[in-house]
Amino acid sequence: GAVVSQHPSRVICKSGTSVKIECRSLDFQATTMFWYRQFPKQSLMLMATSNEGSKATYEQGVEKDKFLINHASLTLSTLTVTSAHPEDSSFYICSAREGGRMSANTGELFFGEGSRLTVL
Amino acid sequence: RKEVEQDPGPFNVPEGATVAFNCTYSNSASQSFFWYRQDCRKEPKLLMSVYSSGNEDGRFTAQLNRASQYISLLIRDSKLSDSATYLCVVNQGGKLIFGQGTELSVKP
Repeated sequence: GAVVSQHPSRVICKSGTSVKIECRSLDFQATTMFWYRQFPKQSLMLMATSNEGSKATYEQGVEKDKFLINHASLTLSTLTVTSAHPEDSSFYICSAREGGRMSANTGELFFGEGSRLTVL
Repeated sequence: RKEVEQDPGPFNVPEGATVAFNCTYSNSASQSFFWYRQDCRKEPKLLMSVYSSGNEDGRFTAQLNRASQYISLLIRDSKLSDSATYLCVVNQGGKLIFGQGTELSVKP
């Protein structure tokens, strides 16, 4: 099956620093990638939809200037948490759907391994 | 009201038991439905899609009731390896909306 790689898997940083998380589709092209955040014992919350070559679409309540998303190629999307604070500590997961809009309703998303961010 | 609601559990069952999970969704325009499985501190993985006619995959049976906006997952003859969190997922306009998950623990 399709493989999505996410890096780093774990990061600890000081408050006020910025952290970049990379999401790569290894064996397929992903015109659309999704970024989720999951707090302990809670559901995955969609943060934004990353579109190759255009601006990301953010969900309500997600600050676009704090969570910078770049999708410069068909196999790479990055999420940068700027000026991170302890409340940003969470599990960030990217996902991608194989193919483009024609497969929008097939439902299967391939997830990266997730990045656990701890802000001290 | 949450868009996708599940009983968080945990469900503690012995090996061999049959267990059922329920899920309701609020948006009647939702297009498709899925169950994902998430192991502790890992990424979610697709378990099965859910069709209106109901569908079965081995020990797993999924049902959808669009009129009631209700989805279910039945696990028969549960195994220790079934222990995980089961996520009810709804496709709304190409975006997957996740329930908070139901935790299952299968004991020897």
